[in-house]
Amino acid sequence: QKEVEQNSGPLSVPEGAIASLNCTYSDRGSQSFFWYRQYSGKSPELIMFIYSNGDKEDGRFTAQLNKASQYVSLLIRDSQPSDSATYLCAVKGSNYKLTFGKGTLLTVNP
Amino acid sequence: NAGVTQTPKFQVLKTGQSMTLQCAQDMNHNSMYWYRQDPGMGLRLIYYSASEGTTDKGEVPNGYNVSRLNKREFSLRLESAAPSQTSVYFCASSPRETSGSTGELFFGEGSRLTVL
Repeated sequence: QKEVEQNSGPLSVPEGAIASLNCTYSDRGSQSFFWYRQYSGKSPELIMFIYSNGDKEDGRFTAQLNKASQYVSLLIRDSQPSDSATYLCAVKGSNYKLTFGKGTLLTVNP
Repeated sequence: NAGVTQTPKFQVLKTGQSMTLQCAQDMNHNSMYWYRQDPGMGLRLIYYSASEGTTDKGEVPNGYNVSRLNKREFSLRLESAAPSQTSVYFCASSPRETSGSTGELFFGEGSRLTVL
């Protein structure tokens, strides 16, 4: 069973701070890693993906991947109240199937 | 451009009743998926269809059947609903299911099902 683990939270940060969301995975053959954002009562939407070790930046978002440690993270700089949502880590494993973590609830306090 | 459309958005069933959740996408995607989302359990794949004419079981297929009616439509049927099937159901689509895919899924708005 391929597993993707996330802290359920809630993670609470003040407005303007950096929010750090973490994810570990069990399938060492995994190649592709994704972060989805899900607002309460809404459907998930893709915000970042990363394939290679290191950092990938897109605006205020940075995805970080360390395949040796089987660890992927999402940093949100200058957090805004509108970033308050559940963040889902998803991993495409060696069987090419996408497995989702249970999600981390982020709350950004004004 | 509607994207992925699911119907109904809300449904209440009694144990043992049957129903079909409908899903249609207008993005000409090859692959379609049905997920359920439960508190504390995340998104779990029920069934998927990599391309028109094919369907495969996901992580939690028991109690469900699917039909890929054509490239646009993928339905999920509960033959005899049970309280354990109370959940939010999401249909999703993607351009391809293969390893070359970006892994981006486009989700419908969800269908909230309650089985009493």
